[in-house]
Amino acid sequence: SQTIHQWPATLVQPVGSPLSLECTVEGTSNPNLYWYRQAAGRGLQLLFYSVGIGQISSEVPQNLSASRPQDRQFILSSKKLLLSDSGFYLCAWSENTIYFGEGSWLTVV
Amino acid sequence: DAKTTQPTSMDCAEGRAANLPCNHSTISGNEYVYWYRQIHSQGPQYIIHGLKNNETNEMASLIITEDRKSSTLILPHATLRDTAVYYCIVSRRTGTASKLTFGTGTRLQVTL
Repeated sequence: SQTIHQWPATLVQPVGSPLSLECTVEGTSNPNLYWYRQAAGRGLQLLFYSVGIGQISSEVPQNLSASRPQDRQFILSSKKLLLSDSGFYLCAWSENTIYFGEGSWLTVV
Repeated sequence: DAKTTQPTSMDCAEGRAANLPCNHSTISGNEYVYWYRQIHSQGPQYIIHGLKNNETNEMASLIITEDRKSSTLILPHATLRDTAVYYCIVSRRTGTASKLTFGTGTRLQVTL
């Protein structure tokens, strides 16, 4: 069966520091991969999606970037975090339906 | 993707059926209705989806009206663990680069 993992689960980072969130999917090949963000009390916002290795589409201009170095690996990064980057980040994958990971809580202080 | 309208919140007594409505009057012929739920501090959980016919799985039933302009998610015997925010989403079938747009959902509170 397919599984999705993302880490770290929680992190507290100072303003201006870099960020790297990692997501891997197992049990499937060439999945569509997604990064969503949920700010406190808000709905989910799609940040990036990828249909293949090295193929990244950005939905919202922002301080973040994404990369897909391997078929089942999706990374969310930032060179310099802002306070507004705080939130709940979710990785997801899809074939016929989208399935979400456990999420990562980011607090920028 | 078509937009959806859901009530902000609903209450349901434990053991009773929870019926969550969703309006999607601008749905297109090739768009599916998806339901997800999100328990606090967790990732959204897929529940069910359908195109035209009613669907049932181990979690819930999905009733879609004949004109497809609205649907109802039914949790047949709600428990306290069903307390969550439920999202109704209309989208083309997730294949290549299909993206689900989440609204604010319905906050379901199951009570004793």
